[in-house]
Amino acid sequence: DVKVTQSSRYLVKRTGEKVFLECVQDMDHENMFWYRQDPGLGLRLIYFSYDVKMKEKGDIPEGYSVSREKKERFSLILESASTNQTSMYLCASSLRQGDSPLHFGNGTRLTVT
Amino acid sequence: AQSVTQPDIHITVSEGASLELRCNYSYGATPYLFWYVQSPGQGLQLLLKYFSGDTLVQGIKGFEAEFKRSQSSFNLRKPSVHWSDAAEYFCARIYGNKLVFGAGTILRVKS
Repeated sequence: DVKVTQSSRYLVKRTGEKVFLECVQDMDHENMFWYRQDPGLGLRLIYFSYDVKMKEKGDIPEGYSVSREKKERFSLILESASTNQTSMYLCASSLRQGDSPLHFGNGTRLTVT
Repeated sequence: AQSVTQPDIHITVSEGASLELRCNYSYGATPYLFWYVQSPGQGLQLLLKYFSGDTLVQGIKGFEAEFKRSQSSFNLRKPSVHWSDAAEYFCARIYGNKLVFGAGTILRVKS
């Protein structure tokens, strides 16, 4: 069974801090994704990656960056956290592009004060 | 615009009653469509998917969904709801190389 692990379940950070959210998958999936989830807005794609050292912007990349140095690990970086980045962040992976379903981690709830 | 619409933010049904959650998607040829469920404090779990073929798709936990091209819809159904079905449900569709989600429908089950 695919396992997507997000390193932190809850995080509280201060405005202006640099924040790292880590995600690891154990099924050798090609693709990895970062979404944020907000009530009434569903899931919105921040960044995704189809290969090591490769990244593409999603629908809301502003204020975020990502890193994928190894196939199994995909990190989301908030360069300077702001209160409007308080949200639930979900990492996902899929085997390949197109029709492969996504497998999700349990999420990291980030609060920026 | 690429969009997935779930018109109902909340739905409440009695345990044992039937359920239908609505989903509409914008333009495109034969779409790749999904339904996911999120229980409180959990990530999303895939319920079912439609790519082609039979327009009635069976999923896990007794759920099914029907693809109707003429209505651009992919509604999720269950004949008899259990209290453990209380969760948030998301419809999603692939647009190009991205999976786009609807805003979600929160299902409450009353006993």
